[in-house]
Amino acid sequence: QSVLTQPPSVSGAPGQRVTISCTGSSSNVGAGYDVHWYQHLPGTAPRLLIYGNINRPSGVPDRFSGSKSGTSASLAITGLQADDEADYYCQSYDSSLRGSLFGGGTKLTVL
Amino acid sequence: EVQLVESGGGLVKPGGSLRLSCAASGFSFNTFTMNWVRQVPGKGLEWVSSISRASIYIEYAESVKGRFTISRDNAKSSMFLQMNSLRAEDTGVYFCARDAKDYEMDLWGQGTLVTVSS
Repeated sequence: QSVLTQPPSVSGAPGQRVTISCTGSSSNVGAGYDVHWYQHLPGTAPRLLIYGNINRPSGVPDRFSGSKSGTSASLAITGLQADDEADYYCQSYDSSLRGSLFGGGTKLTVL
Repeated sequence: EVQLVESGGGLVKPGGSLRLSCAASGFSFNTFTMNWVRQVPGKGLEWVSSISRASIYIEYAESVKGRFTISRDNAKSSMFLQMNSLRAEDTGVYFCARDAKDYEMDLWGQGTLVTVSS
């Protein structure tokens, strides 16, 4: 089935490290397609955080990092800050859908 | 300035139609594949449709196939989404987004709100 599964929510205190997982299948992540990550605040345009599994666009702090292994990927955020509180989405291409696929999103709460 | 600006959203009755536009500026529009992505209230991002640089390759999500039509006018640096037979579940904010190298979307508009309600 063409689904990218993320935890609905994660939380952490300022300064801590959190990770967000993204589990796919053989038609998307497992097929070798890259995973990308976005940060989205309500009422704003989503922001590309990580592309090609591990790469940061210019302007994205190195507190954000990505990894991929097999059918899963992860986004790690270190040194949590209050303004990191947002929704985070993973995205990949799916060969069965012949289009992009987004994960369900993870709401990050900074305690 | 490099930007995408959506327009055309609004309130429409179930079964009605709406045409969204996305105006690009600050980059060579005709060299990028473009997408429509939506966010339904209380839910996450959902890819809706994509169109390649010369409109040769066009894809739709199953949820809109047969009802929505994507198009582009490279001479005017614009992309469109014709939405017909609209349903309540099509309500949401519609974003246009630029594809970079490997399906990542590196530039997004601010979105336009579509509300389908009687």
